[in-house]
Amino acid sequence: EIVMTQSPATLSESPGERATLSCRASQSVSSNLAWYQQKPGQAPRLLIYGASTRATGIPDRFSGSGSGTEFTLTISSLQSEDFAVYYCKQYNNWLSITFGQGTRLEIK
Amino acid sequence: EVQLVESGGGLVQPGRSLRLSCAASGFTFDDYAMHWVRQAPGKGLEWVSGISWNSGSRGYADSVKGRFTISRDNAKNSLYLQMNSLRAEDTALYYCAKDSGSYKVANFDYWGQGTLVTVS
Repeated sequence: EIVMTQSPATLSESPGERATLSCRASQSVSSNLAWYQQKPGQAPRLLIYGASTRATGIPDRFSGSGSGTEFTLTISSLQSEDFAVYYCKQYNNWLSITFGQGTRLEIK
Repeated sequence: EVQLVESGGGLVQPGRSLRLSCAASGFTFDDYAMHWVRQAPGKGLEWVSGISWNSGSRGYADSVKGRFTISRDNAKNSLYLQMNSLRAEDTALYYCAKDSGSYKVANFDYWGQGTLVTVS
């Protein structure tokens, strides 16, 4: 099983600032990496897939990069609605999918 | 509008069984793979199981392999999760999630609101 490790566990930033979230895989997952956003009491929402492709309707302030074992989600200018928990997920093996433990993005 | 509605959760004793259902609408169900993802109270997301569009491929997390079985009925636009030998650590909100592809894509583009399973 591929282990996904996200850092930091909690990130404190101010609105308008840039946020950078990291995700590391225990072995290469190529570009088979997605990011999800989850707000309290809501189901997760797909933000990024294929490491860098924005899902339908996702604002362009969200961007993803990386390949292999190191990945980054960047939010260029934080809006109030962006404060949430973010999960990375690898799907290199379709039948063995794993999520990271999450990064909580909170208002500074 | 895509809708996924889970049902079947509840309180169950350790060692017993439960069957979850997910009713899908608003899209051509048999064109897409489907998945179950769970979230223990206050914890992160855990992929549980996935099934291809035609049931030809199924996968399970190590934590549930041999105890849970995923299935689908394309005629009824429904996804199921049969959970046997339940343990306290299976307590979670169980989400049904639609894949954006039929097989080997695994981007979860729509989610239900979840059904809560409590094993105690």
